[in-house]
Amino acid sequence: QQQVKQSPQSLIVQKGGISIINCAYENTAFDYFPWYQQFPGKGPALLIAIRPDVSEKKEGRFTISFNKSAKQFSLHIMDSQPGDSATYFCAVSSGSARQLTFGSGTQLTVLP
Amino acid sequence: EADIYQTPRYLVIGTGKKITLECSQTMGHDKMYWYQQDPGMELHLIHYSYGVNSTEKGDLSSESTVSRIRTEHFPLTLESARPSHTSQYLCASSDFSRGTDTQYFGPGTRLTVL
Repeated sequence: QQQVKQSPQSLIVQKGGISIINCAYENTAFDYFPWYQQFPGKGPALLIAIRPDVSEKKEGRFTISFNKSAKQFSLHIMDSQPGDSATYFCAVSSGSARQLTFGSGTQLTVLP
Repeated sequence: EADIYQTPRYLVIGTGKKITLECSQTMGHDKMYWYQQDPGMELHLIHYSYGVNSTEKGDLSSESTVSRIRTEHFPLTLESARPSHTSQYLCASSDFSRGTDTQYFGPGTRLTVL
């Protein structure tokens, strides 16, 4: 059973547009919600993360929106650039072990 | 850039061979992980370790084994490689004892078993 469902699987946006990737989860015990960015041939790297005590977190062009009641969180990339083209993974974590469970990934392509 | 290293980056090997994938980190992190990832697909946790002499199996069943004799080193071994083991293997570490959740990933080893 998937603990986190990510959509869309792929996304194509024009340069300067807004990219939006969504994740939904079931377990209300999750208390850490990061987004990782992965370029081809590289390992994933933490992009931005949020905890459930806030509804939004912004770092530069990247924003996480968190809806605790709907059990959903999303990544918004403003003014998308070709250099943002990568695969994005949401993840969830909870408990003493602090293990990350990853979503299935979204391949983002930003056209020049 | 995280200080976590994996060797080799690419490995093509025949069925039945024993292989060891190396992972080292210089950040002094206590917790380390191995993930399996098919290209562009989700990451599956196969092994993790809380520290020296600690190893645990992850969510995805794997025929590989791991060891943690030194804090900085977390090798993964396949005793007899099979084509079904073809995948990318990612190593990661985190500063678990300080309560941080961020995992730092290495560049991965792309394994192909013929």
